[in-house]
Amino acid sequence: KAGVTQTPRYLIKTRGQQVTLSCSPISGHRSVSWYQQTPGQGLQFLFEYFSETQRNKGNFPGRFSGRQFSNSRSEMNVSTLELGDSALYLCASSPWDRGDEQFFGPGTRLTVL
Amino acid sequence: TQLLEQSPQFLSIQEGENLTVYCNSSSVFSSLQWYRQEPGEGPVLLVTVVTGGEVKKLKRLTFQFGDARKDSSLHITAAQPGDTGLYLCAGERITQGGSEKLVFGKGMKLTVNP
Repeated sequence: KAGVTQTPRYLIKTRGQQVTLSCSPISGHRSVSWYQQTPGQGLQFLFEYFSETQRNKGNFPGRFSGRQFSNSRSEMNVSTLELGDSALYLCASSPWDRGDEQFFGPGTRLTVL
Repeated sequence: TQLLEQSPQFLSIQEGENLTVYCNSSSVFSSLQWYRQEPGEGPVLLVTVVTGGEVKKLKRLTFQFGDARKDSSLHITAAQPGDTGLYLCAGERITQGGSEKLVFGKGMKLTVNP
């Protein structure tokens, strides 16, 4: 089985711009979660989608949003980028019956200048 | 406040040494996972522990879940350079809405020198 894929792998943006990141989960996985990883804060949960519905949300401002499509692929969007949004954004998918076991993609490294 | 505290945060040892990393919380978790992350990659799941007091072994790695399901430890025997990486613990909590949410510790960065 192919693993979780994320595109793009690297991205450089400037303050004020917006960005869309994409994630394709493992085939058959219906739950997709997004995380932000920084050296200072570690892995911070952004949100989780299951069957196209947001099931959980972390403590991030409304500039961070996401969605899931009928084929379980997911996108996250960050609007009005700030310098502090520079981070590794990780997507993870889970089998429907084991939401606690996360299978991570390689991440998208976002740099905001 | 970090819900899951990991210690130590950094460890540099020589090949062949043993080590233990701890993951502590004041909260109870329905399950706890350990992941390893290498530079430029996403975390990889090593093990899930569910029952209080549970011990799982994965080759040279031994994982233990505390009796009260609030803490866990990872012990590595005879560490090898290939064990180098960031070790993360993660716990599953039941939110007020009844759904599960995974929270991560900040990780322990391990370097094993040949």
